[in-house]
Amino acid sequence: QKEVEQNSGPLSVPEGAIASLNCTYSDRGSQSFFWYRQYSGKSPELIMFIYSNGDKEDGRFTAQLNKASQYVSLLIRDSQPSDSATYLCAVSQAGSYQLTFGKGTKLSVIP
Amino acid sequence: GAVVSQHPSWVICKSGTSVKIECRSLDFQATTMFWYRQFPKQSLMLMATSNEGSKATYEQGVEKDKFLINHASLTLSTLTVTSAHPEDSSFYICSVRVTSGYEQYFGPGTRLTVT
Repeated sequence: QKEVEQNSGPLSVPEGAIASLNCTYSDRGSQSFFWYRQYSGKSPELIMFIYSNGDKEDGRFTAQLNKASQYVSLLIRDSQPSDSATYLCAVSQAGSYQLTFGKGTKLSVIP
Repeated sequence: GAVVSQHPSWVICKSGTSVKIECRSLDFQATTMFWYRQFPKQSLMLMATSNEGSKATYEQGVEKDKFLINHASLTLSTLTVTSAHPEDSSFYICSVRVTSGYEQYFGPGTRLTVT
């Protein structure tokens, strides 16, 4: 069974700090990796996707992928209270458009 | 990214009635849409994959006769919850896949309450 694991948190960081969110996946055939942000009562919002090993940066967000370790992470620099949300890691397998989601990590940025 | 709308944003219905939820891709033609369900404090569960012009593909455990999906055009997919029961109360969210990649963009969701 394909699994995506995330620490449920809550992860608390002070405002201005770096928040580090981690995700592991079980299927070595996974090809595409996504991070979604979900505010309470709202639908998920895509914030990053990464397909190749290494780092991908977009503004304050950096996604890191290590396929050998089956590990993907999201770094949020200069964390803001508005970043407080649940972050969902999602993975799709090669040749498939379906996403498998982790249960999410709740992030709380303390002013 | 893609812009996706859903209607209605929330609905309350009585047990035994049917409810239709619309999902629209506003800025591009989506050959593939997905329907998810999310219970409180749980992650998203994929219900079905909706393909334009063909029958939807349902995930294991999802009753296709209860959750009717129609993807009649490249911009519209509908989910009809038939003979709704209180246990069907949930947050229903659709997504569209961009044709150039694997990313999915979600609609705002529909909160269904069955009394």
